[in-house]
Amino acid sequence: DTGVSQDPRHKITKRGQNVTFRCDPISEHNRLYWYRQTLGQGPEFLTYFQNEAQLEKSRLLSDRFSAERPKGSFSTLEIQRTEQGDSAMYLCASSHLGSPDTQYFGPGTRLTVL
Amino acid sequence: EDKVVQSPLSLVVHEGDTVTLNCSYEVTNFRSLLWYKQEKKAPTFLFMLTSSGIEKKSGRLSSILDKKELFSILNITATQTGDSAVYLCAAAGGTSYGKLTFGQGTILTVHP
Repeated sequence: DTGVSQDPRHKITKRGQNVTFRCDPISEHNRLYWYRQTLGQGPEFLTYFQNEAQLEKSRLLSDRFSAERPKGSFSTLEIQRTEQGDSAMYLCASSHLGSPDTQYFGPGTRLTVL
Repeated sequence: EDKVVQSPLSLVVHEGDTVTLNCSYEVTNFRSLLWYKQEKKAPTFLFMLTSSGIEKKSGRLSSILDKKELFSILNITATQTGDSAVYLCAAAGGTSYGKLTFGQGTILTVHP
């Protein structure tokens, strides 16, 4: 399977704990995106990378959130001091520079903060 | 602020029916409109539209864009139970070459 992969698929944590999610994009895609989706809503943009450079961050991305893509391949999204409001599906997508708008999504990581 | 609105929010039909899903958008420097299908997992890409009036087709699904009136429709003919899903519309534009702005989605339920 050469699609976007994410790990873990599910994460349950207690409020105040830190969590980290990983995303592996489609191999030839140099753009990588993070979105958050809550129940009954469409995905909301969080941030994106072109290669290793983080080019845009949404104001939704508070200072408790940080994303990295150190070698321009996989990316991690870390949430520090989790809150119940962080419970959501975190989706990763990737696209090729030649067609940046056509984004292909991974299966997502469902986070539940107790 | 960029905005995408879909209607209806939910739709229940029987197999064989034809459905039309609507998407309107307000996006500065609009570039493209995308449709995705989401079952209980990741959104799956269906279409990307950039030009007005040119219909894109894939099997029983088709979509068209009207850049003057700022909307798109997704048609599904001869619906099947496997078409049951959330259909998401997203717009790309602005100064960002990364961000897609999504609508709330239309929940389609197809009964046998």
